[in-house]
Amino acid sequence: DQQVKQNSPSLSVQEGRISILNCDYTNSMFDYFLWYKKYPAEGPTFLISISSIKDKNEDGRFTVFLNKSAKHLSLHIVPSQPGDSAVYFCAASVGTNKLIFGTGTLLAVQP
Amino acid sequence: DTGVSQDPRHKITKRGQNVTFRCDPISEHNRLYWYRQTLGQGPEFLTYFQNEAQLEKSRLLSDRFSAERPKGSFSTLEIQRTEQGDSAMYLCASSGERDRVHEQFFGPGTRLTVL
Repeated sequence: DQQVKQNSPSLSVQEGRISILNCDYTNSMFDYFLWYKKYPAEGPTFLISISSIKDKNEDGRFTVFLNKSAKHLSLHIVPSQPGDSAVYFCAASVGTNKLIFGTGTLLAVQP
Repeated sequence: DTGVSQDPRHKITKRGQNVTFRCDPISEHNRLYWYRQTLGQGPEFLTYFQNEAQLEKSRLLSDRFSAERPKGSFSTLEIQRTEQGDSAMYLCASSGERDRVHEQFFGPGTRLTVL
């Protein structure tokens, strides 16, 4: 069963606009949520995380929102830049043993 | 470069052969993870080491797979009698006590193709 779901395989956004990537989860025991960015031929790179006891975390152009009642989180990128074009993975964890990843969303930022 | 390194980056093998991959984590990291990623999917957890102890194994890790981390430094992942379904990207990650909680640092991966 897919405990972390990213229902949009791809997203196209104009440079300078907002990108919103969504993620849903089923396991209420997850205590941390993370977003990773992946370029072709590279491993995933950590972007931003949020504890389950918070509802928002911001780091520069990136903000993650967590809605525990809906079991939903989203990543906002403002403003979007062409260099942001990559696959974005949502991940969740219980403890520090492993991450459970979604299937990814391919973001294309058009100049 | 002090990041996670993996060797080889690519491996092509014939069905039935054995293959071994190596991962060198960030030097001060005591936790090491192996993941597998297939096309269109996110990375899937395989196994986890804290220092030299293998503390968790996924059901994905069949008896043809074995991982070791002697002396708590580098790790190897061996696949015996490879099958075409083993074709995937094998990712290694590490994390340490002083890093942000739950953040794992990934290597570039080893792409395995089984013919």
